[in-house]
Order: sequence, then structure tokens, then C-alpha cells
Amino acid sequence: QKEVEQNSGPLSVPEGAIASLNCTYSDRGSQSFFWYRQYSGKSPELIMFIYSNGDKEDGRFTAQLNKASQYVSLLIRDSQPSDSATYLCAVKAGNQFYFGTGTSLTVIP
Amino acid sequence: DTGVSQNPRHKITKRGQNVTFRCDPISEHNRLYWYRQTLGQGPEFLTYFQNEAQLEKSRLLSDRFSAERPKGSFSTLEIQRTEQGDSAMYLCASSLPDGRGNTIYFGEGSWLTVV
Repeated sequence: QKEVEQNSGPLSVPEGAIASLNCTYSDRGSQSFFWYRQYSGKSPELIMFIYSNGDKEDGRFTAQLNKASQYVSLLIRDSQPSDSATYLCAVKAGNQFYFGTGTSLTVIP
Repeated sequence: DTGVSQNPRHKITKRGQNVTFRCDPISEHNRLYWYRQTLGQGPEFLTYFQNEAQLEKSRLLSDRFSAERPKGSFSTLEIQRTEQGDSAMYLCASSLPDGRGNTIYFGEGSWLTVV
């Protein structure tokens, strides 16, 4: 069973702060790692992906991957109220994508 | 490019009835996935097609569920003899052929309520 674990939260941060979201996975053969954002009642939308150890930055978002620790994280800088959503971590192993249960983030104005 | 399209967006059905959802993937995507998501959970894999071939199917998928992709384009997911536990959002996603950076893009989902 391939597992993806996330802290369900809720995580609350003030506007302008850095939000840090974490994810661990069980399958060492996992190849690629993704972060999706899901607003209430909507479908997941891709934020970014990472497949090499280290950091990858895209605007206010930074994904961090540590394959030795089987750990992936997402940092959101200068958090905005519009960032309030559930963030899903997904892991690709073989041809399948496995999702965590998501972390609920609230950015307080 | 209109993205992944799903319909109907919402379906309310009585227990025991059959329902069918349709998914039209992004045009150049040859891989198509079906997921199910309930409140507070992440998407749960149901099945996956590459072109018209159904390559993987979740062990959790009961015999009441069947999916097809007859011409390698759109796909249908049918649920027979629906049960209240089938109430969920059914998500379709598509992707390009394999590659580390290739990801799946979701449609807007089809909400099923079984009463």
C-alpha cells in the first residue's frame, strides 16, 4: 500500500506570513511529487511539481524534496486570503498518482 | 484547449438506479484516470486508461463500477445499482504519455448524491 501522509490541519497563518505544508510518502520508488490546491467544492488544480532533490521555486511557491527522508514540502510566501484552501500532496509511482488527505490552510486577513 | 470536461456536473439518484458519467480529456492526452473523492479525503484512484486500453483498476472498485474508453477519446464511468456509499465527487483527469514531469489535470468533477 503506497501511503501519502499529510497533517490535516487546519493550519492558520496571518496574511503576509509564510505557510509551510508538509508531506511524507512510503514508497521509495516514487518518481515525481506534486502539489495541488483545492478550493471547497472544486476540483484539484496543479500548483507545481518536483522530481529532483532540493528546492524548486515558482513565484510565491517553493517545493522542497528530500528523497532520503521521503519528505516533500510546500512553502507559500506572502500568504494571501485567496490562498485559503486545501493543499493536496500527490506522489507518482509507476503510472499511478497517490494523494494525501490534504492540509486545510486558512490565511487570516 | 478547453481542458478536461465532465458531465453531468451534478447527479441526484435514488438508491438502486444506474448512473453514467462522461469525461472528455484534453485533446492530446492519451492517458485518462478516474478518481473518487469524499469529504475530507484525497482523491482515491479508481481506474486508468492508456488510449482505449484499461490498464489498471483499483481493488476497491466493485463489480458495480465499469469504465470504458471505446475510441481512446472520451470515457464513461457507469455505476450500477447505486448505494448511498457511492455518494462522492467523481473526478476525471488526463495526462500526456509518461515522463517524470508529466502530471494529471483534473476536470471539474461530477457530484453524485444517492438518496
